[in-house]
Amino acid sequence: AQRVTQPEKLLSVFKGAPVELKCNYSYSGSPELFWYVQYSRQRLQLLLRHISRESIKGFTADLNKGETSFHLKKPFAQEEDSAMYYCALLSGNTPLVFGKGTRLSVIA
Amino acid sequence: EAGVAQSPRYKIIEKRQSVAFWCNPISGHATLYWYQQILGQGPKLLIQFQNNGVVDDSQLPKDRFSAERLKGVDSTLKIQPAKLEDSAVYLCASSLWRGPEAFFGQGTRLTVV
Repeated sequence: AQRVTQPEKLLSVFKGAPVELKCNYSYSGSPELFWYVQYSRQRLQLLLRHISRESIKGFTADLNKGETSFHLKKPFAQEEDSAMYYCALLSGNTPLVFGKGTRLSVIA
Repeated sequence: EAGVAQSPRYKIIEKRQSVAFWCNPISGHATLYWYQQILGQGPKLLIQFQNNGVVDDSQLPKDRFSAERLKGVDSTLKIQPAKLEDSAVYLCASSLWRGPEAFFGQGTRLTVV
């Protein structure tokens, strides 16, 4: 069965410091991986997907099939990045499976 | 474009009572999902519809939960009777046919006392 693991419940970093939110998955095929974000009092929304290979709000994520990881990175954290981040996996015809989420707190 | 609409935003009920949630997806989105998000956890899929047909309801507690999407647009999720452990945020999401990006509503926060 598909599984997404986010080992950190809370990650606190200082403004301007690099950020890495970890995500590992278990799936034997070729999944699609996503990062969703939920800012305070806002709805859950897509941040980026591995297929697009783009940088959104300074965040990037690379799919490492050997390590079954899809870590989210940003070189310089900003206060407005504080939010809940969820890694999610999509495979075949099955719907999105989410990790438990990591709360990122950027300290001024 | 208008987003996914859900109502009510908040609901408090006593255990053993019934409750219903409503969702209106984005126009043209064939796929509709209901997720349950318990505090401190990620969203867990309850049921997925493709138009008005059920694609996946393997994690829906069918003894107390039911959902329908009669005309392939709006959907309702019902809990009858509610238990304390049903306290959670219920999220509705929609996507295009085979579209990977799910658009979420604001959710309904249910508290069972």
